[in-house]
Amino acid sequence: NAGVTQTPKFQVLKTGQSMTLQCAQDMNHNSMYWYRQDPGMGLRLIYYSASEGTTDKGEVPNGYNVSRLNKREFSLRLESAAPSQTSVYFCASSEQRNQETQYFGPGTRLLVL
Amino acid sequence: DAKTTQPNSMESNEEEPVHLPCNHSTISGTDYIHWYRQLPSQGPEYVIHGLTSNVNNRMASLAIAEDRKSSTLILHRATLRDAAVYYCILGLTGNQFYFGTGTSLTVIP
Repeated sequence: NAGVTQTPKFQVLKTGQSMTLQCAQDMNHNSMYWYRQDPGMGLRLIYYSASEGTTDKGEVPNGYNVSRLNKREFSLRLESAAPSQTSVYFCASSEQRNQETQYFGPGTRLLVL
Repeated sequence: DAKTTQPNSMESNEEEPVHLPCNHSTISGTDYIHWYRQLPSQGPEYVIHGLTSNVNNRMASLAIAEDRKSSTLILHRATLRDAAVYYCILGLTGNQFYFGTGTSLTVIP
């Protein structure tokens, strides 16, 4: 099993450009999450999806949209990138929402110029 | 949001035990205490979690105070591969984890 995979690994954008970060898991997990991690900081939750067909805002949702395409895939979209969105983005999944262990992907490093 | 307090950094000699403390004075009765670690340039990985009783697994032990307002992650014999940032997190209802800045553990050969 690959676990949680993310694409791309690294991306450079210009201010105002859009892009979609992809995440997929092969563990048949119900819940999926998107976090961002700024230098020297802990992770902050952007959006999560408790189950297929549902999404909810986390701590820092502004400037992002998400799509739970199916049970395996959860994408994060930046419609108009800003330098403040320069960060490392991590996707995670868990079997259920409540108190379950989360499994993280390797991250996508995004630089917005 | 539930807060945890951890020292910014700690050092340990290789093959010695390491005790990583965490304070969580605002913990509620249903919050689990989770520990994750993040190796350089990687995503966080699960270490251990518990509710009230002390817990052991192959990676570590978790000692939880009787009033649950603090906990300690114990690595029994630190190795160089244990050098990482360790996060103590309260698992809130709905599984919204709030990561702090964690403790950066340096293991000295």
